[in-house]
Parts: sequence; C-alpha cells; structure tokens
Amino acid sequence: DAGVIQSPRHEVTEMGQEVTLRCKPISGHDYLFWYRQTMMRGLELLIYFNNNVPIDDSGMPEDRFSAKMPNASFSTLKIQPSEPRDSAVYFCASSPTGNEAFFGQGTRLTVV
Amino acid sequence: GENVEQHPSTLSVQEGDSAVIKCTYSDSASNYFPWYKQELGKRPQLIIDIRSNVGEKKDQRIAVTLNKTAKHFSLHITETQPEDSAVYFCAAMDSSYKLIFGSGTRLLVRP
Repeated sequence: DAGVIQSPRHEVTEMGQEVTLRCKPISGHDYLFWYRQTMMRGLELLIYFNNNVPIDDSGMPEDRFSAKMPNASFSTLKIQPSEPRDSAVYFCASSPTGNEAFFGQGTRLTVV
Repeated sequence: GENVEQHPSTLSVQEGDSAVIKCTYSDSASNYFPWYKQELGKRPQLIIDIRSNVGEKKDQRIAVTLNKTAKHFSLHITETQPEDSAVYFCAAMDSSYKLIFGSGTRLLVRP
C-alpha cells in the first residue's frame, strides 16, 4: 500500500475561492481524520469518520468548512469561501480501529 | 471532550543527555497514547505508543511511561543525537477512537 495519499501537495488560491482537498486512506482502515496544523494552534482535529460516517465534526471552525467521505477510499475537505486565515497545512490520517494513525504528506494551503 | 496538554514547548539538550517531555490528559476513558515525531516539512510519524493496561514501554533509546491515576504520560529519550531534533507530539485516543494531540515540543539537540 502506498500509504495515505493527499492531493494537491500545495494549493495557492485567492480569498473567496473554493478549495477542495482530497485524501485516499490506507485500504482496510476504518477511521479517517482531518487535521489542520498551524504554528499557533498545533494539530487541530477538524473532523473524523468511522466507516465513511462522520462521527465528530466539532472541530470544524465554521460553516465554510465541510467534509465528505462518499466511500471507503476517498474523502474531501472543502472550504468555501476561503479566507487568508485558513492558510495552514491540512493533514489527513487513517487508522484501523484503536491503533496507530498514519498521516498523509499534507496539503499546504495558502490563501492570498 | 478530551484535552491534552504538553510541556515544555521547547527543549534544548546537549548531545548525549536525556530529554523528557510530559503530557496530561483529561478523559479517564482514554486508552491509547501514541507519540509522534515530525521533522521539518514532513508528516508526523509514530515513534512509540502505550495502552492503558501498561505502565511503561521501551524501544531502544526511547521509553514512555503512563500514570493512569494521575492521567499523565511522558516520553523519555536517552543518549540524544542531533537527528533526534524535531517536534514531538503526544496524543490520546478516547473510547470513541477520537485522537487528540498535544501542542508539541520542539526538541533541539546541540552537537
């Protein structure tokens, strides 16, 4: 398995535009996590899924953020409209139940 | 919900000395405590983990201890080397498998 795959690796967009981040978890992992990393706030959990179902989205900062997991091999995190304060590295991670979470390489988002 | 606090935020040690990073958690139902190392520009990667039925675990130069009563756990790195320089994160997984991270410790090992 190639591990958790995220795309794009880098995204630069203008304020107000829609941004979609993508994640392919490791096959067989039933948990998927989306984290946002900034210098100020560290690794914040935004939302996590179990068997494609969102379990806890209390970390999603605003209604501008949404996440979906239409099947076991794909998830998206969407920001609409984007703002400069959304600039961060967004990580997706997957894990088998109750075990090590494997991280993707992250998407570095810059909103100008 | 779970809250994880981590100290110190930065730690500088001389090569060969030991480094200790401490974390506390709030949810007594949490049962899995991993530690991750993140090098500059890279993804966090697991270095060691411990479950709530174990008090201590060791892997070569790194060890983790867990005190369930006090709800704190610690990472110990002995004989530090320059390549140990990185940001270290503790985390706690609660009974619903939610994984919450501490704020991170930037470790610098001076040659």
